[in-house]
Amino acid sequence: GAGVSQSPSNKVTEKGKDVELRCDPISGHTALYWYRQSLGQGLEFLIYFQGNSAPDKSGLPSDRFSAERTGGSVSTLTIQRTQQEDSAVYLCASSPGTGIYGYTFGSGTRLTVV
Amino acid sequence: GESVGLHLPTLSVQEGDNSIINCAYSNSASDYFIWYKQESGKGPQFIIDIRSNMDKRQGQRVTVLLNKTVKHLSLQIAATQPGDSAVYFCAEVPRRDGNKLVFGAGTILRVKS
Repeated sequence: GAGVSQSPSNKVTEKGKDVELRCDPISGHTALYWYRQSLGQGLEFLIYFQGNSAPDKSGLPSDRFSAERTGGSVSTLTIQRTQQEDSAVYLCASSPGTGIYGYTFGSGTRLTVV
Repeated sequence: GESVGLHLPTLSVQEGDNSIINCAYSNSASDYFIWYKQESGKGPQFIIDIRSNMDKRQGQRVTVLLNKTVKHLSLQIAATQPGDSAVYFCAEVPRRDGNKLVFGAGTILRVKS
């Protein structure tokens, strides 16, 4: 596609439920990133995929968070047993290769845990 | 100003005036600095970047200044327009981990017509 696509755009879930957030990167981009943006805050790095390499998971806040990237394209961020503090906008970005050149963000998924 | 908790600093400017948005960064070992603009309901959009070996870079209506001595970055927007209203973030690209952006807290820019 022309840009990074994320779905759903909004998600309301009950505390304790699991959620899956999807990211479709720009076609041909080998790098994919997930960030979290809490209300009124800057973006916080979560996880980074580059090609077939093992992902950099150093930003995941707890073991309730996981992500996978299938076929080097679409990625899913899963949050298990959601908590209210997980409420945030989850942003995905992709880039053509290593480094920040061509880094493009999607519009995000707004997650609300009630 | 400083951001505290959930409150982002806000800059209000009159349409046509120049805007200056400031950012303090923490990591002296960063190769790049980037300014992003984020409109409501959208992801951050790249505005301009600057390498750590430069102190000034100009784009269309925007200028970024880098002062490494005091670890300060600023974004100047000339002839501010209503469409410039957004949240502006600075981001660092650490030298040792060039794939992760480290974002500042952001500044809200409001342009009054």
